[in-house]
Amino acid sequence: QTVVTQEPSLTVSPGGTVTLTCTSSTGAVTSGYYPNWFQQKPGQAPRALIYSTSNKHSWTPARFSGSLLGGKAALTLSGVQPEDEAEYYCLLYYGGAQSWVFGGGTKLTVL
Amino acid sequence: QVHLVQSGAEVKKPGASVKVSCKASGYTFTGYYIHWVRQAPGQGLEWMGRINPNSGGTQYAQKFQGRVTMTSDTSVSTAYMELSRLRSDDTAVYYCATPNEGSWGQGTLVTVSS
Repeated sequence: QTVVTQEPSLTVSPGGTVTLTCTSSTGAVTSGYYPNWFQQKPGQAPRALIYSTSNKHSWTPARFSGSLLGGKAALTLSGVQPEDEAEYYCLLYYGGAQSWVFGGGTKLTVL
Repeated sequence: QVHLVQSGAEVKKPGASVKVSCKASGYTFTGYYIHWVRQAPGQGLEWMGRINPNSGGTQYAQKFQGRVTMTSDTSVSTAYMELSRLRSDDTAVYYCATPNEGSWGQGTLVTVSS
């Protein structure tokens, strides 16, 4: 059973920078996993932020960026705003099984 | 842009089936895979599977194999997800989505209760 792991929770100060990571139990995450990142606030549907590692949607704020970092997918928020407090999920593609797997989510607190 | 509208909330008894629809607009329906994702109360997101509306081809998460059926009707630009042999732990919000295009439906709450 493939497991995708994220930090359960992180805290950042307003204006600060924070990096969320996404790890695969199968080994290093590469661009072939097409990492996606989503933001979800309570009571709302998820909102897409990043696709295929580092591509932003037209609505994605410039302070969000995606990358690969040390064998993990990463989402970096620079200049964090209070409205960035939310749950963040990564999604990875496993080509061999033709399946996608979500990480468990990271609860980001802005304090 | 891609817009997805789902059917309304459902209440089902254990052992029954539920079929959720997802009507797409704003793009060529056969152009993108439609994925189905669920979220149990207070829990994270769970990928259930996806369908290629162009070919009808599907991939399902192993957990749901044998219990889920995803279909599409190109004449009405609508995808469907049917889950059978419902249990109480299937109570969740079910979403359709096109992840790479960034669009999600509004979610459909399915409650399984006797």
